[in-house]
Amino acid sequence: QVQLVESGGGVVQPGRSLRLSCAASGFTFRNYGMHWVRQAPGKGLEWVAVTWYDGSIKYYADSVKGRFTISKDNSKNTLYLEMNSLRAEDTAIYYCSRWAFDYWGQGTLVTVSS
Amino acid sequence: DVVMTQSPLSLPVTLGQPASISCRSSQSLVYSDGNTYLNWFQQRPGQSPRRLIYKISNRDSGVPDRFSGSGSGTDFTLKISRVEAEDVGVYYCMQGTHWPQTFGQGTKVEIK
Repeated sequence: QVQLVESGGGVVQPGRSLRLSCAASGFTFRNYGMHWVRQAPGKGLEWVAVTWYDGSIKYYADSVKGRFTISKDNSKNTLYLEMNSLRAEDTAIYYCSRWAFDYWGQGTLVTVSS
Repeated sequence: DVVMTQSPLSLPVTLGQPASISCRSSQSLVYSDGNTYLNWFQQRPGQSPRRLIYKISNRDSGVPDRFSGSGSGTDFTLKISRVEAEDVGVYYCMQGTHWPQTFGQGTKVEIK
């Protein structure tokens, strides 16, 4: 069965960096594009970034463009989100999701606070 | 960006009664391939989102048939024919036609 397991969240100071991972199993990872979606505490869903199945194309939300980088290691079946220059408003649960949003992970909480 | 507007934002319902959520987009969601990429998601308390409906009206595997989606162009609806206790949560529409993909604000369904 399809499984997506995020990790790497935690408490980080403003301006610092963090890398999230999403380990995929149960499907042919190299054939699928992947997304990151976040949810601030008590708020709605916000799409963050997408990568094409082969990493050739990537799009970002304006709120993270230039600070976050999405990548995909098809040899390790793992999706990443490198987050730099973190701000308080980046505090959220970060979910990874398969291309058509048909499968989601359980999420990992990122808290940006001094 | 395409703005997705849901109504109502809060929906108290009686068990066994129907419920309806509206979602309107600021632009047509018809893609050049003729498909309309409008999804509906359910997020139960403390859980990850779950896709219920894709391309307006296609139910995902395991989704009860009391859930149905309809609409076209810029106007879409999610209906629950008879609300059950397990339907409590927040429902989101999301468009996948235009980049960036955008979600509605969410509609909180609760039992009266």
